[in-house]
Amino acid sequence: AQSVSQHNHHVILSEAASLELGCNYSYGGTVNLFWYVQYPGQHLQLLLKYFSGDPLVKGIKGFEAEFIKSKFSFNLRKPSVQWSDTAEYFCAVGLDSNYQLIWGAGTKLIIKP
Amino acid sequence: GAVVSQHPSWVICKSGTSVKIECRSLDFQATTMFWYRQFPKQSLMLMATSNEGSKATYEQGVEKDKFLINHASLTLSTLTVTSAHPEDSSFYICSALTSGRSYEQYFGPGTRLTVT
Repeated sequence: AQSVSQHNHHVILSEAASLELGCNYSYGGTVNLFWYVQYPGQHLQLLLKYFSGDPLVKGIKGFEAEFIKSKFSFNLRKPSVQWSDTAEYFCAVGLDSNYQLIWGAGTKLIIKP
Repeated sequence: GAVVSQHPSWVICKSGTSVKIECRSLDFQATTMFWYRQFPKQSLMLMATSNEGSKATYEQGVEKDKFLINHASLTLSTLTVTSAHPEDSSFYICSALTSGRSYEQYFGPGTRLTVT
């Protein structure tokens, strides 16, 4: 069955550190890729998405992600994190033309001030 | 734009009663809405997909007679948990798709259901 795995369940960083959250999926066909973020007490919101074209996509708040097809990966990066980036981050994958998403388990990111 | 609301934000009910949760798209028309369940420290589990004017499609293992979904208009979908039991206690989240922004889901804030 298709699945999405996020390598780290918890990540703790200091402010200004660089961030990379891993996301891998198991599916050989066409994919649409998403990163969603859930700030404490708030609802899920889209951080960035990839449908086609340039595999390096830029999202809100300085986040970016790179789609590497050969590695079935869509890792999220930010060069310098801030305390306000403390949140839970979810990777999600849509398969072919399916609107339904397969979700990773999420990564809780804590930024120490 | 693309705001989705849910009501109520939290509800406590007794075993055996039914609870209705509303999901509304406030500034767009949602042709498709999804209902998810989120367990503590786990990812979102898709329960069902509802399209306006037609029956919902339930995921394997989700009881359609227990979790009644109605998508009567392009801005409203409801989830009714019938004869609720403590194991139904969870965080229920809806999301909506717009025809103009394919594949991108907009999420509601969620509803915390506690069954006593």
